[in-house]
Amino acid sequence: EAEVAQSPRYKITEKSQAVAFWCDPISGHATLYWYRQILGQGPELLVQFQDESVVDDSQLPKDRFSAERLKGVDSTLKIQPAELGDSAMYLCASSSVLLSSYNEQFFGPGTRLTVL
Amino acid sequence: AQTVTQSQPEMSVQEAETVTLSCTYDTSESDYYLFWYKQPPSRQMILVIRQEAYKQQNATENRFSVNFQKAAKSFSLKISDSQLGDAAMYFCAYRRFDDMRFGAGTRLTVKP
Repeated sequence: EAEVAQSPRYKITEKSQAVAFWCDPISGHATLYWYRQILGQGPELLVQFQDESVVDDSQLPKDRFSAERLKGVDSTLKIQPAELGDSAMYLCASSSVLLSSYNEQFFGPGTRLTVL
Repeated sequence: AQTVTQSQPEMSVQEAETVTLSCTYDTSESDYYLFWYKQPPSRQMILVIRQEAYKQQNATENRFSVNFQKAAKSFSLKISDSQLGDAAMYFCAYRRFDDMRFGAGTRLTVKP
């Protein structure tokens, strides 16, 4: 069964360091999402891609966060420099249809980031 | 802004019994979708059930059903014949086009 892949699963870093997370969506899924899930809260959308284009990055802290999906397939989310408050689970999800509210989002296992 | 509220941080149910998880949301729109997602410990989030706002009929998926009250902006999840594998965090979510928002979640414990 096709799944969304994410790596690494866990990352520990010191503040002010750079970190990067990778996501490979389900094959053929044009829409890709990055979420941040702080412990005890629901996921919060950071950025949404349609193919290689950013559709919505209004909640992405652009002074330190960046995201790219150069070939419209896999994606990388980077944080530089990391801050203590960035400790969270970073979830990637994908869906198959352009900007459809109906379509199911398939989630990856997430990357748990701890900033010391 | 659309907000989703889950007022029950934790719930517990006896195996084989029925439990209802609550969710309310705030929106001025009439056309949107509502979802319940399940997040088991250390596993990925999966869709449990979805409801289109324009449909009056409540969605059902096997042991999972919803009570959708559009006027009251309420969307509760009922789990019948609870099983040990139902133990997880459950998130209610609202979506309209690009805007998708999740509640804070309810942790469900199933007692054998």
